Amino acid sequence: EIVMTQSPATLSVSPGERATLSCRASQSVSSNLAWYQQKPGQAPRLLIYGASTRATGIPARFSGSGSGTEFTLTISSLQSEDFAVYYCQQYNNWPLYTFGQGTKLEIK
Amino acid sequence: EVQLVESGGGLVKPGGSLRLSCAASGFTFSSYSMNWVRQAPGKGLEWVSSISSSSSYIYYADSVKGRFTISRDNAKNSLYLQMHSLRAEDTAVYYCAREMATIGFHAFDIWGQGTMVTVSS
Repeated sequence: EIVMTQSPATLSVSPGERATLSCRASQSVSSNLAWYQQKPGQAPRLLIYGASTRATGIPARFSGSGSGTEFTLTISSLQSEDFAVYYCQQYNNWPLYTFGQGTKLEIK
Repeated sequence: EVQLVESGGGLVKPGGSLRLSCAASGFTFSSYSMNWVRQAPGKGLEWVSSISSSSSYIYYADSVKGRFTISRDNAKNSLYLQMHSLRAEDTAVYYCAREMATIGFHAFDIWGQGTMVTVSS
């Protein structure tokens, strides 16, 4: 099983600032990585797939980078609606998908 | 509007059974692989099961193998999860999720709102 590890567990950032979230895979997943946003009481929403491609309707302030075992989700200028929990998911080993444990992005 | 709507959750005793349903609308259901993903209270996401568009390929997480059965009815635009021998650790919100149609990309682009399953005596 490919283990996905996200850091930090909680990130405190002020609105308007940049947020950088990390995701590490226990073995290479190439660029087969997705990022999701989940707000309280809601289903996850796909943000990024292929490590760096924004999903339909996702604002340009969200960007993804990385390949192999190290990945980053960057939110360039945080808006109030961006405070949520973010998950990475590998699908290199599909259909045996695995998710990271999540990073909670909170208002500083 | 592209939509997935789950139903069938509820309270069940340990060892009991439950069948979840997911109704799809707004897209050609028969063209997509579908998945179940669960989330225990206050915890992260866990992939549960996957079924290909024509039901030819079916996969399960080790945690549910032998107890859960995924199926679909393309004529009814519906996805199902039959759960047997339920345990306390199966308590979670269960989401159905559509897999992207783009070849080579297997992220989940559409999710339902989830249905809660509680296993407790």
